[in-house]
Amino acid sequence: AQKVTQAQTEISVVEKEDVTLDCVYETRDTTYYLFWYKQPPSGELVFLIRRNSFDEQNEISGRYSWNFQKSTSSFNFTITASQVVDSAVYFCALYNTDKLIFGTGTRLQVFP
Amino acid sequence: DTGVSQNPRHKITKRGQNVTFRCDPISEHNRLYWYRQTLGQGPEFLTYFQNEAQLEKSRLLSDRFSAERPKGSFSTLEIQRTEQGDSAMYLCASSFYKGANEQFFGPGTRLTVL
Repeated sequence: AQKVTQAQTEISVVEKEDVTLDCVYETRDTTYYLFWYKQPPSGELVFLIRRNSFDEQNEISGRYSWNFQKSTSSFNFTITASQVVDSAVYFCALYNTDKLIFGTGTRLQVFP
Repeated sequence: DTGVSQNPRHKITKRGQNVTFRCDPISEHNRLYWYRQTLGQGPEFLTYFQNEAQLEKSRLLSDRFSAERPKGSFSTLEIQRTEQGDSAMYLCASSFYKGANEQFFGPGTRLTVL
């Protein structure tokens, strides 16, 4: 079965705190792709990152970083020095046979 | 704006009525997807097209749902005899098919069935 689990339903932090959003996936495929999307209050999903299963190097983009560990089937997302504008729902997704399978999302609230 | 556009943004209808939504993808994208998102959930796949061919339909897509993409450009999603359970956000996404390319999402159409 193909499945994505985001166990954290909601996280609240104060501005400038670091926060990590967890994502655990299940797949029998040896080649697969993982994605993170952001859904701000406006509702439109915004692509953040794509990672293929052969590349386990961590990636950093500004305040965002991703930790991909095949051994634990996890693809976690960390925001460093969070800002109010980071408040949104974040979705992890698994690409399977031409479609995305999304987790239930983690709502992040960053308070000033 | 060259992103994915969807119309209408909001639709309120009475149970039993038919509704149609439109999606205009990014012009050079040959793949177009429809997803449905209910409150507190992630988007769920409904169907997708490559050019004008509908390649897959989810079991979520009952006989009351039909989607088209004539000429491989814009797409329409029609729901016949709407039910209250159809109330959701309907999302359209497009991508250029080259492996698992990122999908670009539109703003969605929020459907409320009274």
